[in-house]
Amino acid sequence: GAVVSQHPSWVICKSGTSVKIECRSLDFQATTMFWYRQFPKQSLMLMATSNEGSKATYEQGVEKDKFLINHASLTLSTLTVTSAHPEDSSFYICSARQPGVETQYFGPGTRLLVL
Amino acid sequence: AQRVTQPEKLLSVFKGAPVELKCNYSYSGSPELFWYVQYSRQRLQLLLRHISRESIKGFTADLNKGETSFHLKKPFAQEEDSAMYYCALRNRGGADGLTFGKGTHLIIQP
Repeated sequence: GAVVSQHPSWVICKSGTSVKIECRSLDFQATTMFWYRQFPKQSLMLMATSNEGSKATYEQGVEKDKFLINHASLTLSTLTVTSAHPEDSSFYICSARQPGVETQYFGPGTRLLVL
Repeated sequence: AQRVTQPEKLLSVFKGAPVELKCNYSYSGSPELFWYVQYSRQRLQLLLRHISRESIKGFTADLNKGETSFHLKKPFAQEEDSAMYYCALRNRGGADGLTFGKGTHLIIQP
């Protein structure tokens, strides 16, 4: 089946630094990737939709200058948390969808802790 | 605004008993609903979607537009069904991302 990977699986960083998270579709081409955030004991919240070769579409309330998304190829999307703060600490999950297929395949998630 | 509500954070039933995980939604238009499952230490994966009207691992879910519900059911629970279950609604209007409920932790007791 379709596999999506994320790297790193967890990261700890100092407040004010930037962190990049990668999302890769390993055995299929993903024209669309999605980024979600999950706080403890909360549900997944869609942050943005990433389309290959175009600008990402952000959900209301998500700062596009803080959460930079790049979808430069059909198998890779990156999320960069710029100037991270402790309140950005969360579990970030990506998903990928093949063209013409409704199913989203989820990555294992990246746990970010900002000190 | 669209919303997905799963009223039960935790549901515990005995093996062999029927299971029903509740999901209600709020959406203007024709909804597209899914159930995702996350087993311990595994990633989120699709269980079933209402369009397919399929039964996966003995689970079924029927869309009831009158009650705006999409409850997940299984007549006889098995221990391996223990997991987190999320109901999700597909966003229309171009983005296609999912709106998730808060999830229900299902525990099947032996």
